[in-house]
Amino acid sequence: EIVLTQSPATLSLSPGEGATLSCRASQSVSSYLAWYQQKPGQAPSLLIYDASNKATGIPARFSGSGSGTDFTLTISSLEPEDSAVYYCQQRSNWPFTFGGGTKVEIK
Amino acid sequence: EVQLLESGGGLVQPGGSLRLSCAASGFTFSNSAMSWVRQTPGQGLDWVSQISGSGGPTHYADSVKGRFTISRDNSKNALYLQMNDLRAEDTAVYYCAKDAIGAAGAFDQWGQGTLVTVSS
Repeated sequence: EIVLTQSPATLSLSPGEGATLSCRASQSVSSYLAWYQQKPGQAPSLLIYDASNKATGIPARFSGSGSGTDFTLTISSLEPEDSAVYYCQQRSNWPFTFGGGTKVEIK
Repeated sequence: EVQLLESGGGLVQPGGSLRLSCAASGFTFSNSAMSWVRQTPGQGLDWVSQISGSGGPTHYADSVKGRFTISRDNSKNALYLQMNDLRAEDTAVYYCAKDAIGAAGAFDQWGQGTLVTVSS
């Protein structure tokens, strides 16, 4: 099973600041990595798939990069509504696995 | 508009069974692989199972293999998860998720979830 390790666990930033979230895989997942946003009481929603492809309707301030074992989700300028937990997930091998999440708090 | 509506959750005793359903609308159901993903209250996400659009190949997490069965009825636009021999560690919110076209295994639409509680 591929283990995904996300860092940091929590990020506390002010509106307008940039955020960089990391996801590291225990073995190569090629580019088959997705990012999801989950707000309290809601289901997750897809932000990025295949490392860098934005899902429909995702604002330009969100971007993804990386390949192999190291991936990054960047939020260029934080908005108050970006307060959420962000998960990475690999679809390279079954069983699909998720990272433990990074909580982004807006000060 | 894509809609996924889960049902069938509830309280069940250890060793018991439960069948979850997911009613899908707003897309060509038979064209999409579908998955179940669960989330323990206050914890992270855990993929459970996937089924192809045709209902053919299925895949399971090791933790549920042999106990859970995923199936679908494309004539009814419905996805199912039969859960047998339930354990306390199966307690979670279960989400029905649509696999992205061309990127099966990435989940571009999710239901609101149904809570399964396994307790005596």
